[in-house]
Amino acid sequence: NAGVTQTPKFQVLKTGQSMTLQCAQDMNHNSMYWYRQDPGMGLRLIYYSASEGTTDKGEVPNGYNVSRLNKREFSLRLESAAPSQTSVYFCASMGVDGYTFGSGTRLTVV
Amino acid sequence: GQQVMQIPQYQHVQEGEDFTTYCNSSTTLSNIQWYKQRPGGHPVFLIQLVKSGEVKKQKRLTFQFGEAKKNSSLHITATQTTDVGTYFCADDRGSTLGRLYFGRGTQLTVWP
Repeated sequence: NAGVTQTPKFQVLKTGQSMTLQCAQDMNHNSMYWYRQDPGMGLRLIYYSASEGTTDKGEVPNGYNVSRLNKREFSLRLESAAPSQTSVYFCASMGVDGYTFGSGTRLTVV
Repeated sequence: GQQVMQIPQYQHVQEGEDFTTYCNSSTTLSNIQWYKQRPGGHPVFLIQLVKSGEVKKQKRLTFQFGEAKKNSSLHITATQTTDVGTYFCADDRGSTLGRLYFGRGTQLTVWP
C-alpha cells in the first residue's frame, strides 16, 4: 500500500538511552519531515529534508539528529533520550495533495 | 514569529449541530491546508486553499479563505459522530520547501 511507514509504533526508553525512529515512503516524494505532537501544542517541526541529500532544522531540533538515507528513507535519532522527549512522533512526506503522515511512534522516556 | 491561532481549542456539540473552527493570523497567510486527526490516529489532509476569498466544499464540510487572507474557517453542517477528532490548519508561509506551520488544533467531540 502506498504511503508512509514508521517504525516502531511504541517505544519506552530510559533516560540517556539512544534510539532511531525509521520512516520510509513509497510515493516518490522529494520532501520529508519529522514532527512531534504534544498535548495542546499541535504539531511542531523537528527536522525536514527538502530533497535527497539535504536536511534542515525546524522549530525544535535540539536533542535530535536526522539522516536522509535515500529518497525513500528519513530517520530520526535521539542520541541521549530525556523525559522532555516523551511525545508522539510523526513522519510525513509532501505531495501535491498536502502531507501524507505515517501512523506515528509513541515514545515514552522514563 | 508569526503564529497561526486556531480557535476554539475545544468544541463539544450534539449530533446534528453545526461546528466551525477558525484559523487566524495577524499577518497575511500564504496557503492554508486543513487536516483532520481522529483520536489515536494521524493527521489526514483535507484540503488546500490558496486564493483570497476562496470557498471549497466537501460534502458537509465548507472551507473558506478570508478576503484579506488573514483567516480561514472550516464549517461542518449537521455533525455526525464520525466527525470526532482534531482539526488543524497549517500555513506554508510561502515556503518552497514544503514547510508547514500548524495551528494547535480544535478538538471536536460529538455527542450522539
